[in-house]
Amino acid sequence: AQSVSQHNHHVILSEAASLELGCNYSYGGTVNLFWYVQYPGQHLQLLLKYFSGDPLVKGIKGFEAEFIKSKFSFNLRKPSVQWSDTAEYFCAVNSARPSGSARQLTFGSGTQLTVLP
Amino acid sequence: DSGVTQTPKHLITATGQRVTLRCSPRSGDLSVYWYQQSLDQGLQFLIQYYNGEERAKGNILERFSAQQFPDLHSELNLSSLELGDSALYFCASSGRGGPINSPLHFGNGTRLTVT
Repeated sequence: AQSVSQHNHHVILSEAASLELGCNYSYGGTVNLFWYVQYPGQHLQLLLKYFSGDPLVKGIKGFEAEFIKSKFSFNLRKPSVQWSDTAEYFCAVNSARPSGSARQLTFGSGTQLTVLP
Repeated sequence: DSGVTQTPKHLITATGQRVTLRCSPRSGDLSVYWYQQSLDQGLQFLIQYYNGEERAKGNILERFSAQQFPDLHSELNLSSLELGDSALYFCASSGRGGPINSPLHFGNGTRLTVT
């Protein structure tokens, strides 16, 4: 079974600080990786995704993530955060060759990011 | 606006009761997913339907059931409610190919409080 770990439960940064949120997954096969963001009072929305190719993926709002296969990691980064980045961030994974329950996304427990003005 | 509609937004009920949560997927999306978000468990996949048929099952309790109707809307039925069922329940939809080729679009969720 696949699982996702987000070790940082709550991260507090000042504006303009750099951000890196950790995400590690466990799955023996080829995976698809996602980062979703949930702004306060809003629905979850896709930030970026990795299917194949360049392991450095760029998403919306200046976010990027790097897939490091050897480390089973897909960390989210942003060089300079803004107050508006305050949100909860979820890493998710599913099998690239899904069958049965692997079809669905498995989410991490989420990381709450608070950016202080 | 994700295009996924969930009703009601809030639901307060007592233990032992039964509730129904409703989800209308984004226009054209055939897949509907239900997730439970609680403080201690995070975002947990419950069940997926594709074009009316159950496609995948996650950590869904036997007291919970779901269905997807011919018009593609879905309902999640929660019965014999317990305090621990208090959570935010999200519905998401995706197009053909599931989350691989088509990202999930989430609704705003239904906040269930069991007292």
